[in-house]
Amino acid sequence: DAEITQSPRHKITETGRQVTLACHQTWNHNNMFWYRQDLGHGLRLIHYSYGVHDTNKGEVSDGYSVSRSNTEDLPLTLESAASSQTSVYFCASSGTSGSAGTDTQYFGPGTRLTVL
Amino acid sequence: TQLLEQSPQFLSIQEGENLTVYCNSSSVFSSLQWYRQEPGEGPVLLVTVVTGGEVKKLKRLTFQFGDARKDSSLHITAAQPGDTGLYLCAPRVDSARQLTFGSGTQLTVLP
Repeated sequence: DAEITQSPRHKITETGRQVTLACHQTWNHNNMFWYRQDLGHGLRLIHYSYGVHDTNKGEVSDGYSVSRSNTEDLPLTLESAASSQTSVYFCASSGTSGSAGTDTQYFGPGTRLTVL
Repeated sequence: TQLLEQSPQFLSIQEGENLTVYCNSSSVFSSLQWYRQEPGEGPVLLVTVVTGGEVKKLKRLTFQFGDARKDSSLHITAAQPGDTGLYLCAPRVDSARQLTFGSGTQLTVLP
């Protein structure tokens, strides 16, 4: 069965370190998304990609970067981790259906990141 | 930036009760999705509504899209402990592929 996976599931790091969170999907979806989830804020979009070599900034992109070298993967990098980036991170993917704006997003299980 | 409000933020009820949660905005949406998220997992799509006034039923869950496509409601009949979770609305503007999520309603159904 197709799936979307994230690794690691839990990560503790120190302020200033570079951290990369992995996201891998076997749906062959063109669209991939990274969100962070914090209490009181719901899910906020960090970066997204509509295809290989395409990346776009979301609502809360400062301090994060992504690259899309193939269809299956969209790694999220925190260039210099800060305590404010302690959060739960979700990756999602979607295909592009014939109906405008009705695509289902399939989410990974999340990565809990703690920055000390 | 659209202002999206979900209410109530928290809801705790007894098994068998009925409840309604709301998703409101001043913006007009091209479509709206409802997702449910259980602890330790990612959100899962429940339904997509597209047409103003549209009503969709999923077992004991009834979803309605407002006539003006600015709001939506989710009604659960005879709630069960398995309905416990975070309910998130996610509207789309102009058929964009990215979603904006509301902050959600945390529902707890007590046995």
